[in-house]
Amino acid sequence: AQTVTQSQPEMSVQEAETVTLSCTYDTSESDYYLFWYKQPPSRQMILVIRQEAYKQQNATENRFSVNFQKAAKSFSLKISDSQLGDAAMYFCAYRGYLNYGGATNKLIFGTGTLLAVQP
Amino acid sequence: DTAVSQTPKYLVTQMGNDKSIKCEQNLGHDTMYWYKQDSKKFLKIMFSYNNKELIINETVPNRFSPKSPDKAHLNLHINSLELGDSAVYFCASSPRTGPTLSTNEKLFFGSGTQLSVL
Repeated sequence: AQTVTQSQPEMSVQEAETVTLSCTYDTSESDYYLFWYKQPPSRQMILVIRQEAYKQQNATENRFSVNFQKAAKSFSLKISDSQLGDAAMYFCAYRGYLNYGGATNKLIFGTGTLLAVQP
Repeated sequence: DTAVSQTPKYLVTQMGNDKSIKCEQNLGHDTMYWYKQDSKKFLKIMFSYNNKELIINETVPNRFSPKSPDKAHLNLHINSLELGDSAVYFCASSPRTGPTLSTNEKLFFGSGTQLSVL
């Protein structure tokens, strides 16, 4: 069974600084997808970024980028120029490639990292 | 228009009661889900339906019974509520997909229902 581990329960960063959130996962599959979701106090789950395992190039979305190390099964999220609005719970998530023959889009989540942004 | 809407947002009830949470999506998606987020914020899938057919049932007690009257709705009924059922329940939907995700494909989450069992 696949597992996702986030070893940092809480992180803190100064506004305008850079912070990296860690995620490791375990799988026997060679193809899969990885995601970072943000959950602010409003509870809404917001997709931040996604990475296809077959792509060597790291995904980027504006101030958000990932460091995907397939051999090490590591998928960290870097937030540059941190803003107050980045304060939230961040979840790493895994989706298998075969995934019930395409009938569903099941995600396996890590335990989350609570990010505080200091002004 | 809210893409995935679930009601109620908050639900406070006594142990032993039966309650339902409703979910509707207006995105035309084939697949809907229930996820549970516990007090430690851990988010885990409970059920997945594809076009009204149950695809995933993740070892959830049979006090929980999902019902999908059509592919736009997935309701969650909980019998004999227990203290440990207190959590935030998220409904989500996604389009039917093959193994390969399209570029913009993702899960769309509702805003959650916070259930408190006293």
